[in-house]
Amino acid sequence: EADIYQTPRYLVIGTGKKITLECSQTMGHDKMYWYQQDPGMELHLIHYSYGVNSTEKGDLSSESTVSRIRTEHFPLTLESARPSHTSQYLCASKGQGAYNEQFFGPGTRLTVL
Amino acid sequence: DQQVKQNSPSLSVQEGRISILNCDYTNSMFDYFLWYKKYPAEGPTFLISISSIKDKNEDGRFTVFLNKSAKHLSLHIVPSQPGDSAVYFCAATTTGAGSYQLTFGKGTKLSVIP
Repeated sequence: EADIYQTPRYLVIGTGKKITLECSQTMGHDKMYWYQQDPGMELHLIHYSYGVNSTEKGDLSSESTVSRIRTEHFPLTLESARPSHTSQYLCASKGQGAYNEQFFGPGTRLTVL
Repeated sequence: DQQVKQNSPSLSVQEGRISILNCDYTNSMFDYFLWYKKYPAEGPTFLISISSIKDKNEDGRFTVFLNKSAKHLSLHIVPSQPGDSAVYFCAATTTGAGSYQLTFGKGTKLSVIP
């Protein structure tokens, strides 16, 4: 059973607010990922990390930032939320080895008014 | 340019029959393919995967077939059950790239009718 957690599950916030989406995993995985998904669309990778103090931008340009100070924690921050940021944000982690799957958290549904 | 394509947005199947979900890819560097199932307001859950050195992988009611020459894979669910109703995502990766980034298709919404 994968143990990866995201909070909050749902967030409705006004334009201009700073928000942080939390993601934690208890599996000791080095690799962690953030995806953004809109209804009926594919998941788009926005950030990933190979380990502590390692972060990279994904294929989809995003105004968000991430940090990886601890192995288990990979928070995503939006400094100034806008309606265009409304989406579902999914966090995932992956263990060692090429042929292991990514485990996903339950996601955060963000609505920016 | 979409590298992983699921051309059927939706599929309806009678309970007990076979469900076949299709996926095409364009990037010949992809060598590992995965299927995920997603319920609304939840994260995707891993179902089954296949390496490019195989052409078939089976796990219970789920079988994935890979045709490398056609750059096509399919997921078969037999027999289909109402609890299988969900969105199914095909994903692909290049294992030698090191990042193990997954490229996803847009998903196929499967409805299994009792």
